[in-house]
Amino acid sequence: LAKTTQPISMDSYEGQEVNITCSHNNIATNDYITWYQQFPSQGPRFIIQGYKTKVTNEVASLFIPADRKSSTLSLPRVSLSDTAVYYCLVAGAGSYQLTFGKGTKLSVIP
Amino acid sequence: NAGVMQNPRHLVRRRGQEARLRCSPMKGHSHVYWYRQLPEEGLKFMVYLQKENIIDESGMPKERFSAEFPKEGPSILRIQQVVRGDSAAYFCASSPPGRGTQNEQFFGPGTRLTVL
Repeated sequence: LAKTTQPISMDSYEGQEVNITCSHNNIATNDYITWYQQFPSQGPRFIIQGYKTKVTNEVASLFIPADRKSSTLSLPRVSLSDTAVYYCLVAGAGSYQLTFGKGTKLSVIP
Repeated sequence: NAGVMQNPRHLVRRRGQEARLRCSPMKGHSHVYWYRQLPEEGLKFMVYLQKENIIDESGMPKERFSAEFPKEGPSILRIQQVVRGDSAAYFCASSPPGRGTQNEQFFGPGTRLTVL
């Protein structure tokens, strides 16, 4: 499983766009990039998954450059309720053994 | 459709006792996964089960830990003779048959085990 590197923490004010970048230099050809969100005292929740270029859903956007060695999760206009830990995962399609690093702790400030 | 259910939410055991953690997957889901999370750490995969079968237990300690997913009833993660190092949050996740190409698992709220 490809190793990922992401910032330990980030702060943002309400209403701002937040971009969290994840590095995965040894990503394999058949690997997908998946992001999860975890609130305190809860289990992680799937946010978005992509393979290349850009993916957007109702919650976030995921930008993946052509070399796929990094990816950026973009959260538009964050609110206090977006305060959570965000995990970047790299794994083959349909993989069941998800590997979570320490994630990025996002704190949204009023 | 109820989500993944785990009970108890909190469990306190003394060293040497047994801990039994239960997980009911989402309706229609036949794949169950258990993860362990230490404080300030990410989740670590322990075991993957389907009904009456252990598919992959490579992340589970070989001693004192066992897991099952019987034909009827919830999945059980059992820890015998608990030690202080077993104190952690244990999360169960489930996914539907086939899993597809999306690495999406549905997680329960976790059981927080404290060993005194």
